[in-house]
Amino acid sequence: TQLLEQSPQFLSIQEGENLTVYCNSSSVFSSLQWYRQEPGEGPVLLVTVVTGGEVKKLKRLTFQFGDARKDSSLHITAAQPGDTGLYLCAGGTGGSYIPTFGRGTSLIVHP
Amino acid sequence: DAGITQSPRYKITETGRQVTLMCHQTWSHSYMFWYRQDLGHGLRLIYYSAAADITDKGEVPDGYVVSRSKTENFPLTLESATRSQTSVYFCASSRGTEAFFGQGTRLTVV
Repeated sequence: TQLLEQSPQFLSIQEGENLTVYCNSSSVFSSLQWYRQEPGEGPVLLVTVVTGGEVKKLKRLTFQFGDARKDSSLHITAAQPGDTGLYLCAGGTGGSYIPTFGRGTSLIVHP
Repeated sequence: DAGITQSPRYKITETGRQVTLMCHQTWSHSYMFWYRQDLGHGLRLIYYSAAADITDKGEVPDGYVVSRSKTENFPLTLESATRSQTSVYFCASSRGTEAFFGQGTRLTVV
């Protein structure tokens, strides 16, 4: 059972476009993370959100945690080819951080 | 160098053979994890460990064995490899709510 559903699964866009990736669950998470993975490498943490309604910005990336702490979104403004990669959301539900991952969104940004 | 390292990076083995994937971290993080990554399934947790000598099953533990006699090492053993275990395996450790991943081991079972 996949606790975290990500959409879309694939995204192919042109440089300069904006995009939003979603991460949804029926479970409440104590925290939620977004990771980015490049081919041949392990995932690398981008951000952690903890508070319902929280918004965090990382340059052109904006992350939002839903008010009920069941969902999150990642918005990229003016995408660049360097943003190409697999974006994964992950969450922990208990006192110990045992991350469960979504299936990921594969993003390709064409020059 | 500090970090988390996996070995080997690539491995081809035959069905029925035992194979061990190694994972070593230099941070002394308490928690360590093994995931497998397959197309269409994302990252699935195989086993995790909260400390030396404490391990627990994840979502897909069948066919795998782990041990953790020292905090820094967390090897994963496939007792009798099957083709369905062909995958990319990632080891990770965590500090708070951040997980740090190795570069992965690509295992092919023929």
